[in-house]
Amino acid sequence: NAGVTQTPKFQVLKTGQSMTLQCAQDMNHNSMYWYRQDPGMGLRLIYYSASEGTTDKGEVPNGYNVSRLNKREFSLRLESAAPSQTSVYFCASLDRTFEKLFFGSGTQLSVL
Amino acid sequence: QKEVEQDPGPLSVPEGAIVSLNCTYSNSAFQYFMWYRQYSRKGPELLMYTYSSGNKEDGRFTAQVDKSSKYISLFIRDSQPSDSATYLCAMRTGGTSYGKLTFGQGTILTVHP
Repeated sequence: NAGVTQTPKFQVLKTGQSMTLQCAQDMNHNSMYWYRQDPGMGLRLIYYSASEGTTDKGEVPNGYNVSRLNKREFSLRLESAAPSQTSVYFCASLDRTFEKLFFGSGTQLSVL
Repeated sequence: QKEVEQDPGPLSVPEGAIVSLNCTYSNSAFQYFMWYRQYSRKGPELLMYTYSSGNKEDGRFTAQVDKSSKYISLFIRDSQPSDSATYLCAMRTGGTSYGKLTFGQGTILTVHP
């Protein structure tokens, strides 16, 4: 049972480049989330998908787009990367019964 | 001012000590409170979940919520080196805000043998 799988684990981009972070879960959860983690800031919600076919903005959505491809997959896209987007990105899915978020192992992104 | 304040530490204690971790918050709409544990280079994992004011115990861990003071705590008894991690408090408002958590910045804990 893999849980939540994120790819890639590490990425270095130049300012202005684009990339997509991939996330997949195998727990049949309806809701999925993208958070970023920065030193001194904790985790902040970027976007979420309450169910297949829906997406909504979180606290810090600027500069990002998301796609809920199907029930398993939820991707995060940076169209034109900026140094302020240097961070560790976590995808999560929600077991609503126990109100438990299952996180992936993260993507460490550096934008130069 | 951040909605959730958490002392980042670092906190270093000897094995067997009682550890107290705390968060304060300013938004009175927060109703659900959690503690997540995060090991180095890993994603956070849920440790404790509480809804109402009072105490909740699970093994060596006790979560405490005081809504009147907007203050939550996590106590770890008989701490072990394997407890060394970053501890994040998290909370959300009511309604359909499932998974939309506001996190503290995390406290780094080291338990040395």
